[in-house]
This record gives sequence, C-alpha cells and structure tokens, in this order.
Amino acid sequence: SAVISQKPSRDICQRGTSLTIQCQVDSQVTMMFWYRQQPGQSLTLIATANQGSEATYESGFVIDKFPISRPNLTFSTLTVSNMSPEDSSIYLCSVQPFYNEQFFGPGTRLTVL
Amino acid sequence: DQQVKQNSPSLSVQEGRISILNCDYTNSMFDYFLWYKKYPAEGPTFLISISSIKDKNEDGRFTVFLNKSAKHLSLHIVPSQPGDSAVYFCAASETTGNQFYFGTGTSLTVIP
Repeated sequence: SAVISQKPSRDICQRGTSLTIQCQVDSQVTMMFWYRQQPGQSLTLIATANQGSEATYESGFVIDKFPISRPNLTFSTLTVSNMSPEDSSIYLCSVQPFYNEQFFGPGTRLTVL
Repeated sequence: DQQVKQNSPSLSVQEGRISILNCDYTNSMFDYFLWYKKYPAEGPTFLISISSIKDKNEDGRFTVFLNKSAKHLSLHIVPSQPGDSAVYFCAASETTGNQFYFGTGTSLTVIP
C-alpha cells in the first residue's frame, strides 16, 4: 500500500482567489491522479500527473483552471485557480503503485464563498 | 454520462444482517471492478475487487458478485457490523487503461 497525506485538509476561500493543494506520498510512484468529488456526485478524475511530463487533463478540465505540478516521484500539487462557489468540492489525490490498484489521500475539503 | 451507477444513495441494515449494495455499469469494455469504502473526512480505501473472468470474489465478510450479462455487480457484507457504516463506492476500469470510473456512492448505516 501507499500512505498519502494532503494539505490543507480543509479551507474556506473567497471567490476569485486560488488555492494550492499538496499531496505527499511515502514511496516513489509514477502515476498520480487528482480527483474531485462534488456534493452528491461521484469521484471525477481531473487529471493524471506523471513525473517528468505534462499532466493529462480529462474532458471538462483545463490547465489554466487546475494547474498541476509533479516535481518528483513523491509529491504533486493541484491549484484551483480563480475560484467560484462551483469549485466547492472535496479534492483527492491518488496513486497507483501497482497495476489496477489505487490508493487515495484523505482529501481536501474546499468551500468557496 | 455516468458509466457507473449506484442507484441507492442510502441503505440501513440491522447489525448481524446482510447488507447488499448494488452497482450497474454501461461500458462493456470494463473488465475490472472494485469497491471502496469511505469514512467521513477520510479518503476512499480499497475494499475488494473482481476481474471479469470471475463471477464471485470473497474476502472474509465481504463478497462481490459480478453479472456480466446484466452489467451488474453487488457487494454483500455478512454479518453487518456498526463499523461498516460508511459510504461505499463501486468503480470500474478497463485493464488497458488506468482511469477508474466511480459510482456516486451508497451510504450504509448499520444499526446496532
């Protein structure tokens, strides 16, 4: 398994500001993912972040809104830019150290006023 | 378009009884299925999985059944315990890809 931590665990932000979420893994992993879970919705994949390459975004998500960094094999950040109340969600990072097995961080609960 | 669906947002079961959580999918290319359990303020944790070459996988109190022709899977918890109270997500993937598609979750409450 992999132990994953996220910072911050929760935040309340003003409209128009940006928040950077950090994800730290206790082991080196190639594949890291960022998900969003809006209230009452399923977990939706935002992007896949592999070290050494640009993040791959899913349909409906763009780099300008959700820039991602992946400086090494144990760390990634997701920034939620120019936030609006619709961005209020739980944001989760996950890693896939083994084929077809993903482990999730505890999530960051974001509220945008 | 939701490719994985959990049509029951909540379920209540008496302690000791069986809990049955259901999940349907639409993509016939999915061949690997997982159940995750999520407590409040925590990330989802892996519970059990099944490959499409099987129709049943059992791990202790947890059994997952897969009906490929109906594109349906279910999670059985026997006997249910109060500590099982959580939100359960089913997920599906194609073995050729890395993306997991999640259902909306079922909140299980086990009543002591």
